[in-house]
Amino acid sequence: GEDVEQSLFLSVREGDSSVINCTYTDSSSTYLYWYKQEPGAGLQLLTYIFSNMDMKQDQRLTVLLNKKDKHLSLRIADTQTGDSAIYFCAESNNNDMRFGAGTRLTVKP
Amino acid sequence: GAVVSQHPSWVICKSGTSVKIECRSLDFQATTMFWYRQFPKQSLMLMATSNEGSKATYEQGVEKDKFLINHASLTLSTLTVTSAHPEDSSFYICSAQIPGGSTEAFFGQGTRLTVV
Repeated sequence: GEDVEQSLFLSVREGDSSVINCTYTDSSSTYLYWYKQEPGAGLQLLTYIFSNMDMKQDQRLTVLLNKKDKHLSLRIADTQTGDSAIYFCAESNNNDMRFGAGTRLTVKP
Repeated sequence: GAVVSQHPSWVICKSGTSVKIECRSLDFQATTMFWYRQFPKQSLMLMATSNEGSKATYEQGVEKDKFLINHASLTLSTLTVTSAHPEDSSFYICSAQIPGGSTEAFFGQGTRLTVV
């Protein structure tokens, strides 16, 4: 079946940029999402991108989409300790959604 | 790897009836499971956090009497949509994480509910 993959861990220093990568296999994806999960909480939507876009910027967040390679990335500029969390990418074709397993971002002071 | 099984994958029901969706962790114990809903062409919305042995915690705006959640065991949480109406038609998905701070979260396959 269709799949979404992302690396499990990322560690950066406070103030650096973080880049979390995701690959997917569904060529009929229409929306791609990034969610953040803080300890003990559910997923909260961070940002999303429509599949005919290649970039979206929202304050410190930049989403890049390479549809040809089915590669999605989330860049967090000036990463802060409060950004430490698990980040999930997901893709949707309007019928269902598939999620990656999550990337744990650790921000060191 | 760990697997979360959600059943049924799709269901069609008549208005006024109730529908139960099951979410099972197949090879690990999940003290906490999450239930989400996706409206067409919109993102996922957290509905509630299901805690084994205690009442679920519902997000603001989610009717707890309409969306009954029961986390009866460490491997099973159920979501019952009571007195379903067409506006309840949606995609429902559950997720669970292995206790102890594990990174990975595991998602069910999702349930497409259509109320006619």
